[in-house]
Amino acid sequence: KQEVTQIPAALSVPEGENLVLNCSFTDSAIYNLQWFRQDPGKGLTSLLLIQSSQREQTSGRLNASLDKSSGRSTLYIAASQPGDSATYLCAVRQGNNDMRFGAGTRLTVKP
Amino acid sequence: GAGVSQTPSNKVTEKGKYVELRCDPISGHTALYWYRQSLGQGPEFLIYFQGTGAADDSGLPNDRFFAVRPEGSVSTLKIQRTERGDSAVYLCASSSTSGRADTQYFGPGTRLTVL
Repeated sequence: KQEVTQIPAALSVPEGENLVLNCSFTDSAIYNLQWFRQDPGKGLTSLLLIQSSQREQTSGRLNASLDKSSGRSTLYIAASQPGDSATYLCAVRQGNNDMRFGAGTRLTVKP
Repeated sequence: GAGVSQTPSNKVTEKGKYVELRCDPISGHTALYWYRQSLGQGPEFLIYFQGTGAADDSGLPNDRFFAVRPEGSVSTLKIQRTERGDSAVYLCASSSTSGRADTQYFGPGTRLTVL
């Protein structure tokens, strides 16, 4: 059974720092991996989707990488801002219809 | 256009009662998903619809849970004889096709509390 782990569970950084969030998964036979952002009391917003054949995706200050063989993905956030404070979730999709989510990393960016 | 909407936003019920949670997907999206998110955890898959039919209900925890999508648009998640362990946020998502490459768009969720 696919297990998705995110480290750290919580992270607090001062504004302006670059940071890395980690996601690992146990079964490398995935179709894609997706990073989401979740604000308190809100649904999930998709940030980046990486297909299994891709190594990375970039959107603005965000960069996500995927190393399928080692079962790892990282989300890099450059020049963090207080508005980046949220919970970041990664999810992997396999040959079925569901996505397996990690428990998330709760990020706080202090002004 | 409007995103995925879910009603109610909050539902408090007593143990043993029946509840219905509604999801309005993005117009034209054929695929619809239900997830359950417990406190401090990521969402867990419950059921997936392609059009009107439940293409995959393998995530439903037991037969107290049931979902319908009679006209291929709005979906209702139904929980019978609710238990305290059913308390969670129930999230709905939709995508334009069932393709694995498609991004799922999530609603804000319904927070269910069973007393």
